[in-house]
Amino acid sequence: AQKVTQAQTEISVVEKEDVTLDCVYETRDTTYYLFWYKQPPSGELVFLIRRNSFDEQNEISGRYSWNFQKSTSSFNFTITASQVVDSAVYFCALLSGYSTLTFGKGTMLLVSP
Amino acid sequence: SAVISQKPSRDICQRGTSLTIQCQVDSQVTMMFWYRQQPGQSLTLIATANQGSEATYESGFVIDKFPISRPNLTFSTLTVSNMSPEDSSIYLCSVQQGGGTEAFFGQGTRLTVV
Repeated sequence: AQKVTQAQTEISVVEKEDVTLDCVYETRDTTYYLFWYKQPPSGELVFLIRRNSFDEQNEISGRYSWNFQKSTSSFNFTITASQVVDSAVYFCALLSGYSTLTFGKGTMLLVSP
Repeated sequence: SAVISQKPSRDICQRGTSLTIQCQVDSQVTMMFWYRQQPGQSLTLIATANQGSEATYESGFVIDKFPISRPNLTFSTLTVSNMSPEDSSIYLCSVQQGGGTEAFFGQGTRLTVV
């Protein structure tokens, strides 16, 4: 069975603070894909990153960075120097085997000025 | 990446009525997926829609309540039938490409049932 756990329900930070969103996953498959999506108040799901299980290289994209560690089954997401526009719900998701996406419960990030 | 157009983007409907949500993809895809996101919750898969066959529904979802059409490889509809306030949710369609390793979503339909 697949499972994604986002233990942080809600995080509040002040602008310019760094913030890390945690994601822990479970799967028995050796080949799998991990995703992060952003859902702003408007409701659409914005794709942020996909990482496959064979690529443990961390990735940086502007203020966003991702830390993938197979040893701890974690795929954490860090926003550096947060901005008010980063306020949204962030979902971590897992795709393995020939199945559909399994989503975590999401973390609501509130960035105040 | 696939571009998915979903409409309507939002609607307010009377209980007992039905709403059909449309999902158009800019490329041909084998499988399309429909999700429901209840207020403050994560996404739950309603069904998988393959072209030319009946949709496959997840536990807790039935065809009579959520009929799905998939007339071709770029289009699908989801109908929410006989609506009640409990159906108030965001409904999203999704496609997977790259051998099923990439997933893209429409803009979502925010449904409020009064």
